[in-house]
Amino acid sequence: GENVEQHPSTLSVQEGDSAVIKCTYSDSASNYFPWYKQELGKRPQLIIDIRSNVGEKKDQRIAVTLNKTAKHFSLHITETQPEDSAVYFCAAPRTGRRALTFGSGTRLQVQP
Amino acid sequence: NAGVTQTPKFQVLKTGQSMTLQCAQDMNHEYMSWYRQDPGMGLRLIHYSVGAGITDQGEVPNGYNVSRSTTEDFPLRLLSAAPSQTSVYFCASSYSRSDQETQYFGPGTRLLVL
Repeated sequence: GENVEQHPSTLSVQEGDSAVIKCTYSDSASNYFPWYKQELGKRPQLIIDIRSNVGEKKDQRIAVTLNKTAKHFSLHITETQPEDSAVYFCAAPRTGRRALTFGSGTRLQVQP
Repeated sequence: NAGVTQTPKFQVLKTGQSMTLQCAQDMNHEYMSWYRQDPGMGLRLIHYSVGAGITDQGEVPNGYNVSRSTTEDFPLRLLSAAPSQTSVYFCASSYSRSDQETQYFGPGTRLLVL
């Protein structure tokens, strides 16, 4: 089955700095990589995703890059703001299934 | 649309009790899943369904049963609650098309087993 590893587990940055979270996956057949943001006490919400036929995707201050050869993908947040503080999860499809395997999460703290 | 709904929001059980966590979606999604979230462990898949009448196990299925009699509903049953099942439970749903894979999560059910 799929194994997804996520680093770092915690990340503290100053407001305005950039934040990068990295994930690796094991199943070379995986073709869809979403990122979820979860605020305290709330449900996970999709913030960006990427399919395997592209190497990078941007949405305003958020970008995701994918390296299929190395089997890793990263979330980049630029010009961080205090409201970016949350737990971020990467995920990859479980082999042959629509459900997802999640990374263990990164707690991002943006210091004002 | 209400999206994905879950009831109850919070539940306290005693060891050995049984209960059903309810999940419903009104987006006509074929795929539905149950995850549990424990501190520091992300979300782990319990059971999932690819359509009415079809279910399969995830990575942590022991102690849980599911059924999918309709497209809309996907209840999760705890047969005999144990303290190790204390967790937050999320239901999620998505379309079956390969270009519409976004999973939508319900608000969660926080379960405490004493």
